[in-house]
Amino acid sequence: KNEVEQSPQNLTAQEGEFITINCSYSVGISALHWLQQHPGGGIVSLFMLSSGKKKHGRLIATINIQEKHSSLHITASHPRDSAVYICAVSPLTGNQFYFGTGTSLTVIP
Amino acid sequence: NAGVTQTPKFRVLKTGQSMTLLCAQDMNHEYMYWYRQDPGMGLRLIHYSVGEGTTAKGEVPDGYNVSRLKKQNFLLGLESAAPSQTSVYFCASSRGSSYNEQFFGPGTRLTVL
Repeated sequence: KNEVEQSPQNLTAQEGEFITINCSYSVGISALHWLQQHPGGGIVSLFMLSSGKKKHGRLIATINIQEKHSSLHITASHPRDSAVYICAVSPLTGNQFYFGTGTSLTVIP
Repeated sequence: NAGVTQTPKFRVLKTGQSMTLLCAQDMNHEYMYWYRQDPGMGLRLIHYSVGEGTTAKGEVPDGYNVSRLKKQNFLLGLESAAPSQTSVYFCASSRGSSYNEQFFGPGTRLTVL
């Protein structure tokens, strides 16, 4: 049973395109996290949100708590955005985080 | 601040050998986690700790042991390595579990032959 589902699994885009990655979850949460992992690299946190929308540069994350859904948008995509994007949730109960399997993004120049 | 560090970065073991992975954090975080990452499966929790001297099992604890003798360190042990434990291992820490960000180490790539 997967508490967190992401789509698509793989995504290829041309440089400059607008990109959307989706995340759905099945448990009550206190927060949702978007993480980024470059090839062979570590994992960094991009966003943590519990409602509404957050924006960092060209990245925008939104969440709809009622629908248990979040989206990560990348505007004006660039090859350096090529990475795996991982959605994770902090459930209301328990000490564990639940992770999606990730979306592998490739941005072609 | 170094954040979260892991030692070693790479390791090759033969089946049956033992080893310990060290995770250290300098952010005074209470919570620490060990994950493994395998292709197509996402991050899976092995063990975690909610404070010095405490440990708890995660989703895939079999074949692993952990210890948290000091708040800043979280050790992951493999007593008798198996090829199924070939994976990339990530340590993470956070202030708490609810509305708290996790900080990840750089990972350890382990191959068991």
